[in-house]
Amino acid sequence: GESVGLHLPTLSVQEGDNSIINCAYSNSASDYFIWYKQESGKGPQFIIDIRSNMDKRQGQRVTVLLNKTVKHLSLQIAATQPGDSAVYFCAENMGDKIIFGKGTRLHILP
Amino acid sequence: EPEVTQTPSHQVTQMGQEVILRCVPISNHLYFYWYRQILGQKVEFLVSFYNNEISEKSEIFDDQFSVERPDGSNFTLKIRSTKLEDSAMYFCASSEAAGTGALYFGPGTRLTVT
Repeated sequence: GESVGLHLPTLSVQEGDNSIINCAYSNSASDYFIWYKQESGKGPQFIIDIRSNMDKRQGQRVTVLLNKTVKHLSLQIAATQPGDSAVYFCAENMGDKIIFGKGTRLHILP
Repeated sequence: EPEVTQTPSHQVTQMGQEVILRCVPISNHLYFYWYRQILGQKVEFLVSFYNNEISEKSEIFDDQFSVERPDGSNFTLKIRSTKLEDSAMYFCASSEAAGTGALYFGPGTRLTVT
């Protein structure tokens, strides 16, 4: 079965607000997660990753939070911009492969 | 910035025909992957490849599929006898190291089987 999955298929956010995209996983032994962004007509693009020895990691305007107790991770995008409009996937690194969950489409409202 | 390239961007083929999808990974990368995405659905792992061998493959990657690195730059996916359900976007990806979450994906080849 699917090891990672997203809560909502779509999310609409006002431009300038923060976006929070959630993901749950089922295997408590999972230890390495990644967020990807896929813009229309393009391949997935790596955003940020986090290993289980951390509970928070920050990048440029993005933060990933990992809660191992409830097997949940989230991607926070600060000050959402029109260019953030895309499908976001959480994924799990499983050695020689990365397994993607279902995506959340982020709509930016003007 | 180096990037993964794929050709063709769109391939239309008849059911039962063979297709070869081509990829040029980033030049210093050693690990290569194929994924596919049926329209509007999630990105599905097909195969990973390192040191001229398949590292891992999914249930989708049956005997009809094969991969090859024919020279120092290209990485190909062959489907021997295409089926209607093979219609999808096929993405090639590469990475610099084993076990990294940072795969670099190409723009994809849209395969349409009629």
